[in-house]
Amino acid sequence: NAGVTQTPKFQVLKTGQSMTLQCAQDMNHEYMSWYRQDPGMGLRLIHYSVGAGITDQGEVPNGYNVSRSTTEDFPLRLLSAAPSQTSVYFCASKRTSGSGTGELFFGEGSRLTVL
Amino acid sequence: RKEVEQDPGPFNVPEGATVAFNCTYSNSASQSFFWYRQDCRKEPKLLMSVYSSGNEDGRFTAQLNRASQYISLLIRDSKLSDSATYLCVVIGPLPTDKLIFGTGTRLQVFP
Repeated sequence: NAGVTQTPKFQVLKTGQSMTLQCAQDMNHEYMSWYRQDPGMGLRLIHYSVGAGITDQGEVPNGYNVSRSTTEDFPLRLLSAAPSQTSVYFCASKRTSGSGTGELFFGEGSRLTVL
Repeated sequence: RKEVEQDPGPFNVPEGATVAFNCTYSNSASQSFFWYRQDCRKEPKLLMSVYSSGNEDGRFTAQLNRASQYISLLIRDSKLSDSATYLCVVIGPLPTDKLIFGTGTRLQVFP
């Protein structure tokens, strides 16, 4: 049982480049989300999804796109990378019903640097 | 005003000390509350849920005060291994299911 798997773990981009951060979970969780973590800012929610075909914006969605075509996958796309998007990105998933709906399971994080 | 606010610390305490963290939230209709722990350069992990009646897990006690809109975490008999950042987490009012994190409080326990 792998849990939440994020790739890549490290990436360096040039301003204006695009890329996709991959996230997959094997726990059949309905809810998936992306956060970014910056020093002094904590974890901020970018986008989230409560099921396949359903996505919604979080606190800081600008510059990012998501889609949820399957329960397992929730990729995060950077459309045109900017230095302000240099951050650590975490994907996380959880159940939405039954017990344990407050427990988010996180991937190990993806460290992105935009030059 | 941020939805969830915490004192960033750091709190530097000796082994064996008791330390308490508070967290305030802005939306009175928030439905669920949690404490997460994050070690340096690692992903956050659930430490414990917070209930109105208070709950205890070994050396850790969490409490919720809905009237004043704050959550607390008490750690007794601190261990070196307790050194980490403690994140206050809130699930907002229905129908949302998203978790909002505070910025975290850093704890450093020294010998």
